[in-house]
Amino acid sequence: GAGVSQTPSNKVTEKGKYVELRCDPISGHTALYWYRQSLGQGPEFLIYFQGTGAADDSGLPNDRFFAVRPEGSVSTLKIQRTERGDSAVYLCASRLGAGNTEAFFGQGTRLTVV
Amino acid sequence: GENVEQHPSTLSVQEGDSAVIKCTYSDSASNYFPWYKQELGKGPQLIIDIRSNVGEKKDQRIAVTLNKTAKHFSLHITETQPEDSAVYFCAAQREQLTFGSGTQLTVLP
Repeated sequence: GAGVSQTPSNKVTEKGKYVELRCDPISGHTALYWYRQSLGQGPEFLIYFQGTGAADDSGLPNDRFFAVRPEGSVSTLKIQRTERGDSAVYLCASRLGAGNTEAFFGQGTRLTVV
Repeated sequence: GENVEQHPSTLSVQEGDSAVIKCTYSDSASNYFPWYKQELGKGPQLIIDIRSNVGEKKDQRIAVTLNKTAKHFSLHITETQPEDSAVYFCAAQREQLTFGSGTQLTVLP
């Protein structure tokens, strides 16, 4: 398909474990965003990539969260020493450029920390 | 940073009636205001957007208005249909998108 793809769609992990969430953006989109959405809330910004570099990581809640985009396409959000409070839907979005253009969202990864 | 407030949190209307959702933002430098529709288990999908140099935009049954002076913008859906039932989010962008808390719209047949 031509949309933003996120895998896995669901992830259950034990408290203290490490998890990786993957995002495949739309081909050719240079801007990639990660958001976190808790139940009944709007998406909250985590980190923004322009190409391979993190242009803005001000939304990452603490140093347990890290994201990479080594080749400027696929991105991985990494969470170390997971806590129950990390449970949420993690959304990825991509854009053709950095400007005011449509951001296309994936279906999200539902992370549950037990 | 930017702060976006959205009202109401829930809205029920009869099929065929209009629905209005309102948002305010805090950062006067924000210049892009999209509206997203999110269905259960899916990611948000853009339904309409407006840029700060425009006061109103319409696309079939959906319209958005922007008042830059008051820093508020609204979504209007006319002739609502049951398939319009979903959660709607407004957002404002200066550098990144900041979302409102969402409105659960229910269209009653």
